[in-house]
Amino acid sequence: DTAVSQTPKYLVTQMGNDKSIKCEQNLGHDTMYWYKQDSKKFLKIMFSYNNKELIINETVPNRFSPKSPDKAHLNLHINSLELGDSAVYFCASSLTGGPNYGYTFGSGTRLTVV
Amino acid sequence: GQNIDQPTEMTATEGAIVQINCTYQTSGFNGLFWYQQHAGEAPTFLSYNVLDGLEEKGRFSSFLSRSKGYSYLLLKELQMKDSASYLCAASNSGGYQKVTFGTGTKLQVIP
Repeated sequence: DTAVSQTPKYLVTQMGNDKSIKCEQNLGHDTMYWYKQDSKKFLKIMFSYNNKELIINETVPNRFSPKSPDKAHLNLHINSLELGDSAVYFCASSLTGGPNYGYTFGSGTRLTVV
Repeated sequence: GQNIDQPTEMTATEGAIVQINCTYQTSGFNGLFWYQQHAGEAPTFLSYNVLDGLEEKGRFSSFLSRSKGYSYLLLKELQMKDSASYLCAASNSGGYQKVTFGTGTKLQVIP
């Protein structure tokens, strides 16, 4: 199936731990994103990569480090997790100059820090 | 920066028509997206307006007025499955597209 797939779907971990979320797309898109959706359902962009190059880096604590080994993958590593990091993290992809510039989102990773 | 406003919640009756408004104040505005997000699921693309006017896609239509910084999503013949959050999002006109989302309008369709 063509899609944006991210793992894990659920992640429960203790404060201070380090965790990673993985994202892969097989849509042939060249740009990938990480968004954070908080409890109020506000979707806020964190990072964007185009062909493995970081192009958007919003004001995000440096405990968050994205890595893009190739244009089909964008992973998110989080160090020293805090309670406030609890949210749903969505990966998305798009094609520069594509017909509608629409994003395709992954199904989300619900991170709970306890 | 981008500032996007839309109502937090709306309720409408099955079979009726509902209009969800969105106003935006942005720099370098390029176009306006609407996404649908069911509870616990990912947002899915509904529409993208770049030019002024109304675009119709089945039961859903989206309107844009660039001069007024205003858009709306019109849902006709409402069905129970239309109960979801509807996210308005503005894209910039820079070299790489950056999309900023509003907080979403939670629509409840009642029998």
